[in-house]
Amino acid sequence: GEDVEQSLFLSVREGDSSVINCTYTDSSSTYLYWYKQEPGAGLQLLTYIFSNMDMKQDQRLTVLLNKKDKHLSLRIADTQTGDSAIYFCAAVSGTYKYIFGTGTRLKVLA
Amino acid sequence: EAGVAQSPRYKIIEKRQSVAFWCNPISGHATLYWYQQILGQGPKLLIQFQNNGVVDDSQLPKDRFSAERLKGVDSTLKIQPAKLEDSAVYLCASSSGPFANTGELFFGEGSRLTVL
Repeated sequence: GEDVEQSLFLSVREGDSSVINCTYTDSSSTYLYWYKQEPGAGLQLLTYIFSNMDMKQDQRLTVLLNKKDKHLSLRIADTQTGDSAIYFCAAVSGTYKYIFGTGTRLKVLA
Repeated sequence: EAGVAQSPRYKIIEKRQSVAFWCNPISGHATLYWYQQILGQGPKLLIQFQNNGVVDDSQLPKDRFSAERLKGVDSTLKIQPAKLEDSAVYLCASSSGPFANTGELFFGEGSRLTVL
């Protein structure tokens, strides 16, 4: 079945860039998303990219999509302590079925 | 605009007891999802509704879990009898559809279940 994989942890220093990676298996995924989850809260959409795009930039966020390798990445420029959270990659395909990755816990060191 | 409402936020029960969670999606959202998020894992889809019809319940443990969305608006997820491994956060999400605007899923804050 469809699967989305992510590395579990990432630690960066405040002010550095963070890069969170994700791979997915369903080549028919039309939309790919990045969600952020803070402790005790639900998931909140950060950004998204359509499958016909290679890159999308949104302020400090840059999403890169490599459809051939089914690889998605999220770069956060000038990472702040407030960016510490769990980041989930999600792919949607078929009948609006959203598949989430295991999440990458980002820790930002002051 | 009001967000996705879920209740209760926290529930502690003993194994073999039953529990029910309620979700009220964003007004006008036709698609409603229930996800199970076990600590340290990503959300796993339990059931997906389109209006009051089930689109996907392939990962719902039907011997103990049930869900309904009778009038195509709010929804209830029930677990009976609960097992220890059901301890998780149950997230409800709604969407107007992936081809409307960004296709974003809007999540509630979740209902945290602890089974002792």
